[in-house]
Parts: sequence; C-alpha cells; structure tokens
Amino acid sequence: EVQLVESGGGLVKPGGSLRLSCAASGFSFSTYNMNWVRQAPGKGLEWVSYISSATSYIYYADSVRGRFTISRDNAKNSLYLQMNSLRAEDTAVYYCARVLYDSSANYNHWYFDLWGRGTLVTVSS
Amino acid sequence: EIVLTQSPATLSLSPGERATLSCRASQSVSSYLAWYQQKPGQAPRLLIYDASNRATGIPARFSGSGSGTDFTLTISSLEPEDFAVYYCQQSDNWPPYTFGQGTKLEIK
Repeated sequence: EVQLVESGGGLVKPGGSLRLSCAASGFSFSTYNMNWVRQAPGKGLEWVSYISSATSYIYYADSVRGRFTISRDNAKNSLYLQMNSLRAEDTAVYYCARVLYDSSANYNHWYFDLWGRGTLVTVSS
Repeated sequence: EIVLTQSPATLSLSPGERATLSCRASQSVSSYLAWYQQKPGQAPRLLIYDASNRATGIPARFSGSGSGTDFTLTISSLEPEDFAVYYCQQSDNWPPYTFGQGTKLEIK
C-alpha cells in the first residue's frame, strides 16, 4: 500500500525540541520531493518545509527558518523534521506530503498528492 | 508571498445541488493552482491540479476552472460525502507554497 506514516509528536514545553519522522512505503521514496505541512487546531493549512529527492534543495517557511531542520534518509525511506526552540504557535498537526510527480514525463507538478495522517505537536507549559 | 482568498467562508447547500467555490490570488499564478478536500480528522486530499486537471480517482462531478487570479471549483451535484472543507493552493511562485483559508461546505 502506498502510504506515509508520521510519528514523533507529543507534548513539549516552550523552548523544547522534538523530532518528527515520516515513514514512506509502497512507492519509490528516493524519487520524490517531500514536504512538511502543518495545521493548527481549527485553522487552515500552512506549508512548513520542502526537501528535494536528493536533498539538493531545501526551503523553509519564514515562521520556522532557523529553528526547524528538514532531512531525509532515502535508504530508510524516511523523512524527518527536527524542531528546536518550540513556541506555542507551533502547536499543530504536522503532515508529511509528497509532491505530485509524473514519471512518464519526468515532471513535477508542485502540489501534494499523498499525505500522511499527521502527528500532533502540542507546545505548552 | 502570494495570498489566496477563498469565498464564501461557509457555503450551505443540499445534496443534489451545485456548489461553486471561489479562490482569488493576490497576483497572477497562471494556471498553477490546486484544490484539496479535507474532512474532519483526515488529511487533505488532492482533487484538482493545474486549475482544471482532476487528480487520480477523483469523480467527474468535481471540476476546476480559471487562470490568472480567479479560480473556481465546481461540484456539479453534491453527494453526502462532499460536505467538507476545501482549500486552494498555488505553486506558481514558491517558496512559500500558500493555501487559501478554506471554504466550509455544509449541509443545509
């Protein structure tokens, strides 16, 4: 089955750290560009970070730059998000999301065609 | 950063009716716009990409149109399972990817 499964969320105090993981299965993970997207309780979607398939390109939202680090291990079919200096406003469900890739045309459509179920991060004292 | 504004915030309709949702961009995004559906407790699902292309497995009652700054998602005849929150997302100018604030489609 093609799927993404996030883990690593939980309750952390302001200023603390957390590392999220996303396990991919059922597809060639190393071929795909990946992202983290978050959703605060009752709010909309916010893109957090992007990493290209070979880790050549990495981008962050202004709200997390300098505090969060995205990485991947293609040998382990896994995506990660290291979150440091956490704030209350980082409280959200964090989703990993795959970029839509047309293998027949070797072309990326820069949208998210596969999402995990998410992992909840709560930052509170 | 491109801002996407969705309207209305809430749309109340009955099953069988036609739904029209709008997404307006603060500057042209050409046709690089997608629509997602999200049900409570679930991840978003890609419905439409490049303004008018249905994603794999999406029923034909969902259609998208528009280019430049004005886009529309149309659901031709609402099924009970279509009541959800819908988001638009642009990929013309990123990073950052940006999403609209969402339209809640509720049962009347």
